Amino acid sequence: KQEVTQIPAALSVPEGENLVLNCSFTDSAIYNLQWFRQDPGKGLTSLLLIQSSQREQTSGRLNASLDKSSGRSTLYIAASQPGDSATYLCAVIGDDKIIFGKGTRLHILP
Amino acid sequence: DAMVIQNPRYQVTQFGKPVTLSCSQTLNHNVMYWYQQKSSQAPKLLFHYYDKDFNNEADTPDNFQSRRPNTSFCFLDIRSPGLGDAAMYLCATSSRVGNEQYFGPGTRLTVT
Repeated sequence: KQEVTQIPAALSVPEGENLVLNCSFTDSAIYNLQWFRQDPGKGLTSLLLIQSSQREQTSGRLNASLDKSSGRSTLYIAASQPGDSATYLCAVIGDDKIIFGKGTRLHILP
Repeated sequence: DAMVIQNPRYQVTQFGKPVTLSCSQTLNHNVMYWYQQKSSQAPKLLFHYYDKDFNNEADTPDNFQSRRPNTSFCFLDIRSPGLGDAAMYLCATSSRVGNEQYFGPGTRLTVT
């Protein structure tokens, strides 16, 4: 059974710092991995999708990596801004299952 | 802009009173999903449609049903809401299972 873990559960960093969010999964037989952002009381906004054949994807200040063999993905945020404060979730997409982590609640301190 | 729309954004229902949540999409995607998300928890997949084919998750209670009358619309019916069904309900679409998912803004359901 696929399990997805995100550590830490919460993170506070000063504005301007670079940071890394972690996502680990137990079953490496995945199709894709997708990172989302969720603001309080809102839906999910897709940030990056990494296909199983890819090692990383970049969008602006965001870079996501995928290491299937070790069951890990990271989301790197460069030059953090207060507007980056949100919960970040990863979702692992398998054969017929989509499993989310509980997310990392990020707070960027002005 | 192509998008996923959920109505209403906030829904209050009474214990045991049936309620229907609505999702529509302009992306012309084949797959539509319904998730339940409780406070500080991961979204949990309830079921999904691939075209007209309905796929129920094994642990989704019978109290939850879904209808997809056409490509654009999908409904979540909760036949007899309990207090434990209060949650955010998220609709998502993708062109096929395994592809990027696009989410709507969610409907927050309160059960009194």
